[in-house]
Amino acid sequence: GESVGLHLPTLSVQEGDNSIINCAYSNSASDYFIWYKQESGKGPQFIIDIRSNMDKRQGQRVTVLLNKTVKHLSLQIAATQPGDSAVYFCAENGDSNYQLIWGAGTKLIIKP
Amino acid sequence: SQTIHQWPATLVQPVGSPLSLECTVEGTSNPNLYWYRQAAGRGLQLLFYSVGIGQISSEVPQNLSASRPQDRQFILSSKKLLLSDSGFYLCAWSGRRSGGLIEKLFFGSGTQLSVL
Repeated sequence: GESVGLHLPTLSVQEGDNSIINCAYSNSASDYFIWYKQESGKGPQFIIDIRSNMDKRQGQRVTVLLNKTVKHLSLQIAATQPGDSAVYFCAENGDSNYQLIWGAGTKLIIKP
Repeated sequence: SQTIHQWPATLVQPVGSPLSLECTVEGTSNPNLYWYRQAAGRGLQLLFYSVGIGQISSEVPQNLSASRPQDRQFILSSKKLLLSDSGFYLCAWSGRRSGGLIEKLFFGSGTQLSVL
């Protein structure tokens, strides 16, 4: 359940603009999805999660959208700030009771 | 509230030396516990997970092993480190949803291991 052989794609966003990070999930059985933020040298930090009975969920400056028809998940960050610079990972539960399936990660770079 | 402690933060070890990384969780009981490894600029690779004391599942065959001697303690070990064991090691825990399904993971601060 890992894409460990892939280099991270990068998204560059102007400070103050909205960021949209996309993730295509793989398992039709997945009913639970999570976004994580990982800053350099630190462990991943939970941002927001969503269950398959919802298609949108909002947090503080973040929104997660779920499109089950095309198996697509996105994380929207409003008014991107320098502190949002990090690698963002999506994860899905698949059909396992114990493991998450991880996306490759997207590196978000904030331009001043 | 729940907390997870992982140490050491950095470690430099010679090839062929043993390894022991420890992780403890506070504020919860009967968690699922995980060890991940992350190469620089890469994604997360699951190494081991445990659903209870003494219960270890290995995802990647290698010279690493894991043990769970107590409910909230998870240890990653090696008898002889290889150069390829270098990386960022992360411990994590999760609770369980009703029906035993996985919940979100909470990660420790990680250990940067350099094998020279």
